[in-house]
Amino acid sequence: SQTIHQWPATLVQPVGSPLSLECTVEGTSNPNLYWYRQAAGRGLQLLFYSVGIGQISSEVPQNLSASRPQDRQFILSSKKLLLSDSGFYLCAWSVLAGRYEQYFGPGTRLTVT
Amino acid sequence: RKEVEQDPGPFNVPEGATVAFNCTYSNSASQSFFWYRQDCRKEPKLLMSVYSSGNEDGRFTAQLNRASQYISLLIRDSKLSDSATYLCVVNDSWGKLQFGAGTQVVVTP
Repeated sequence: SQTIHQWPATLVQPVGSPLSLECTVEGTSNPNLYWYRQAAGRGLQLLFYSVGIGQISSEVPQNLSASRPQDRQFILSSKKLLLSDSGFYLCAWSVLAGRYEQYFGPGTRLTVT
Repeated sequence: RKEVEQDPGPFNVPEGATVAFNCTYSNSASQSFFWYRQDCRKEPKLLMSVYSSGNEDGRFTAQLNRASQYISLLIRDSKLSDSATYLCVVNDSWGKLQFGAGTQVVVTP
């Protein structure tokens, strides 16, 4: 069966510091991968998605970036965090791209201070 | 107008009772509809897909009304463990999933 991992689970970082969040998927090949952010009381906001190695689509202009160095690895980064970057970051995968069901990792709760 | 709108609740439900709530969506061409469940400070988990003819999964029944552009979720014989936030998910014009902010359900003893 498929499993999705994210780490770290919780992170507190000062404004201006760098960020690196990692997501890996097991038990499937060539998954579609997604990064979302969830702010308190709001719906999930799609940040990036990837249909293959090195293929990244950005949904929202921001100081975040994403990379997919391996088939089942998806990384979210920032060079300098802003207060507004605080939130719950969720990685998800799907078998088919687009309008099909997605499965989420446990998430990383980021607080920028 | 938001793509997906939900009553945030909370819906306070006595254990064993039935609760139902809706979600409206703006894109009349949407083809994919889902309900996800999210526990406090956890990731969303797929509860069920919603099919045109309506569908059941145990105590959960989902309905789709294309004419009025809403989907509904009904929970029968509510359990304490059903307490969660239920997210409505619909695809947008670009084929991506749009998530509602969720409806909170609190089942009380």
